[in-house]
Amino acid sequence: SAVISQKPSRDICQRGTSLTIQCQVDSQVTMMFWYRQQPGQSLTLIATANQGSEATYESGFVIDKFPISRPNLTFSTLTVSNMSPEDSSIYLCSARRTGGKPEAFFGQGTRLTVV
Amino acid sequence: AQKITQTQPGMFVQEKEAVTLDCTYDTSDPSYGLFWYKQPSSGEMIFLIYQGSYDQQNATEGRYSLNFQKARKSANLVISASQLGDSAMYFCAMREPNTGNQFYFGTGTSLTVIP
Repeated sequence: SAVISQKPSRDICQRGTSLTIQCQVDSQVTMMFWYRQQPGQSLTLIATANQGSEATYESGFVIDKFPISRPNLTFSTLTVSNMSPEDSSIYLCSARRTGGKPEAFFGQGTRLTVV
Repeated sequence: AQKITQTQPGMFVQEKEAVTLDCTYDTSDPSYGLFWYKQPSSGEMIFLIYQGSYDQQNATEGRYSLNFQKARKSANLVISASQLGDSAMYFCAMREPNTGNQFYFGTGTSLTVIP
């Protein structure tokens, strides 16, 4: 299994600012994903982070609001830009290896509160 | 249409008893994977168990077993000998490898183990 380190684990941010969340995997993985989990809700996929190219965003999520980088196979960042209280959520990084075990592994999440 | 349906928002179980968490899914793809994850209050997503659509036997992992009824499109999680540490949110998820790498999550079931 892959170990995923995500930081920060939590933050309280002022509206209008941006926060960058980092995700480090302990081994090379093919697929990396970013999810949002709003309070009391299920997980919603924001985007698939592609190594060396632009992320693939799901409907309802745009690059200007959630820019994503993935400079190599073990690291990715998600930025939540121009935050509003509606962005208060848990943000989760996930990874899996194509051809490896079927399950995806998750970081411990970033609990974001926007005030 | 919802890919994954979990109809039990909250469940209670007596310590040392068994509990079944329901999950139904919707797919027309013959190849798919079904997963259960546990999310304690700390926020991390912990992989519990996997069932492939072509697997003949129900999956088991320690105290966790998956009651896979393909014709009914159900994949219920059975936790035997419940422990206080089992209190958490439980999410059922599905992946359809032929249509992408996204995991579809249900809305979750909150399990409380009563001493």
